[in-house]
Amino acid sequence: DAKTTQPTSMDCAEGRAANLPCNHSTISGNEYVYWYRQIHSQGPQYIIHGLKNNETNEMASLIITEDRKSSTLILPHATLRDTAVYYCIVRVGSNTGKLIFGQGTTLQVKP
Amino acid sequence: DAGVIQSPRHEVTEMGQEVTLRCKPISGHNSLFWYRQTMMRGLELLIYFNNNVPIDDSGMPEDRFSAKMPNASFSTLKIQPSEPRDSAVYFCASSPRTSGRVREQFFGPGTRLTVL
Repeated sequence: DAKTTQPTSMDCAEGRAANLPCNHSTISGNEYVYWYRQIHSQGPQYIIHGLKNNETNEMASLIITEDRKSSTLILPHATLRDTAVYYCIVRVGSNTGKLIFGQGTTLQVKP
Repeated sequence: DAGVIQSPRHEVTEMGQEVTLRCKPISGHNSLFWYRQTMMRGLELLIYFNNNVPIDDSGMPEDRFSAKMPNASFSTLKIQPSEPRDSAVYFCASSPRTSGRVREQFFGPGTRLTVL
């Protein structure tokens, strides 16, 4: 599975959009980009995934560059409850479901 | 619907004792995962099961660790004997059966283990 690189930490003002980047320059054509987050003292939570096209759900938007070497998770209106560690994971879509978590980005949403 | 259920939520034990962590996956899910999280090593996959069968246990640290899934609604992770370096938060996650290639994982609240 391709390795990902994320900034260690980021700040965002409450109510503003939070844009979390992820670099996955060695991604293969059959590998998906997943985003999970972990709020303090809780288990990780699935946010969104994508392969080639941009994706949006009730939680966030995922923008994947045309060459697929990087992506950005967007939380359109960050709240204090969005303070968490955000993990970008690249994995081959398969029936195994195996995920390898890196260190992630700690997002601090400030009032 | 109840999510993934783990018990106990907190466990404090002494070195050398046997520890058993329990997990009840979401009903209907056919994959189950055990993870361990520490400050030093982050979130690590220990083992996962598909249809109650262990598929990949390459993340299990050593022979002191064992995991079983006797049926679709129950799994255990056992440490015997426990050591202080096993202190961590242990998460269980389950994933649904799907005909597609993307399988979201649903995590439990974790068991915080402290070995003195």
